Amino acid sequence: EAGVAQSPRYKIIEKRQSVAFWCNPISGHATLYWYQQILGQGPKLLIQFQNNGVVDDSQLPKDRFSAERLKGVDSTLKIQPAKLEDSAVYLCASNPAGRNEQFFGPGTRLTVL
Amino acid sequence: GQQVMQIPQYQHVQEGEDFTTYCNSSTTLSNIQWYKQRPGGHPVFLIQLVKSGEVNKQKRLTFQFGEAKKNSSLHITATQTTDVGTYFCALSQARAGGTSYGKLTFGQGTILTVHP
Repeated sequence: EAGVAQSPRYKIIEKRQSVAFWCNPISGHATLYWYQQILGQGPKLLIQFQNNGVVDDSQLPKDRFSAERLKGVDSTLKIQPAKLEDSAVYLCASNPAGRNEQFFGPGTRLTVL
Repeated sequence: GQQVMQIPQYQHVQEGEDFTTYCNSSTTLSNIQWYKQRPGGHPVFLIQLVKSGEVNKQKRLTFQFGEAKKNSSLHITATQTTDVGTYFCALSQARAGGTSYGKLTFGQGTILTVHP
């Protein structure tokens, strides 16, 4: 079974630029999550999708972050414009219906200069 | 929302020594999960504990959930260099009625270093 796919793996941008990350969850997993992991901290949930609907985006900085999962499969997370404090690893995770364990992708390491 | 305190933040051990990390909450938890993240890697699920007083062993790893469901621990016996990484506990957010819908709140993690 293929795991959660993410791209790109690394991205370096300057502040005020825009960036987008892509995630393809494990086939059949209805729930998809985006987490932000700042160095030395645990992952923090940004947004949770159930199919193509948003379940929780309470911790998403909506003035600059947006995410979509239009067809209920893959998802895109965008930051526009980026700030220095957005430097982090952005992790995508998914889980199948009825199970709580989450399967994480390799993450995208974002550096904002 | 619910939060969890994880201690210690760092632990250095010699290979063969034991290691324990603790997770504490001020509120009763519906369940707790543990994840391991290798350096440069992503979190990997280890276990979910649900029952009060639950003890679960996976080879050299022993997981416990407190009787009051407010704390949990992970104990590794005779550490190996392959145990290096950060160990996170994570709370699964319970919705009304007590069933979880999957949102995880992670502790800050315990970074384990094993010296050969």
